Amino acid sequence: EDQVTQSPEALRLQEGESSSLNCSYTVSGLRGLFWYRQDPGKGPEFLFTLYSAGEEKEKERLKATLTKKESFLHITAPKPEDSATYLCASGGGTASKLTFGTGTRLQVTL
Amino acid sequence: DTGVSQNPRHKITKRGQNVTFRCDPISEHNRLYWYRQTLGQGPEFLTYFQNEAQLEKSRLLSDRFSAERPKGSFSTLEIQRTEQGDSAMYLCASSLTTGGNQPQHFGDGTRLSIL
Repeated sequence: EDQVTQSPEALRLQEGESSSLNCSYTVSGLRGLFWYRQDPGKGPEFLFTLYSAGEEKEKERLKATLTKKESFLHITAPKPEDSATYLCASGGGTASKLTFGTGTRLQVTL
Repeated sequence: DTGVSQNPRHKITKRGQNVTFRCDPISEHNRLYWYRQTLGQGPEFLTYFQNEAQLEKSRLLSDRFSAERPKGSFSTLEIQRTEQGDSAMYLCASSLTTGGNQPQHFGDGTRLSIL
């Protein structure tokens, strides 16, 4: 069974303090590793898809990277508006379904 | 706005009642998914459609749950004889099917509360 584990569960940063979120996955035949952002009371908002080890994607202050067992979401010089829950999900096999981790709740303070 | 639309946003009902939720996907997307999310957890897959065909159902989807997508456009999710444990956010997502595993785009969900 596919498994996705995210750490830490919660992270508090000061504005400008860079850090990384971790996503470990066990999937038979990975067909995409996805990162989403979720604000309270909203649905997940798509950020990135990574397909193969070594791949990197960037968007503003966020950069996602992928190895054979893990993905990292690096946040550079975060701002308070980056506060949200960040979800990682794997797509495996013939799959259309995504298997999500439990997320990392990020709070960025002034 | 051409995103995924879900109605209603909130539903409060008594235990034992039936409820139905609607999802309108992004218009050119032929795949449609339903997920359930409880507090502090990630979304859990329930079922998905390609056009009007329901291709996969999770074992989480008990026989009290039924989903339809009659003309390959909007979808409905019905829960019969609701139970306390059905309280959750029900999320709908849609995607294209071309070129590998396309990202799924989510609506803002229907929050179900069972009294």
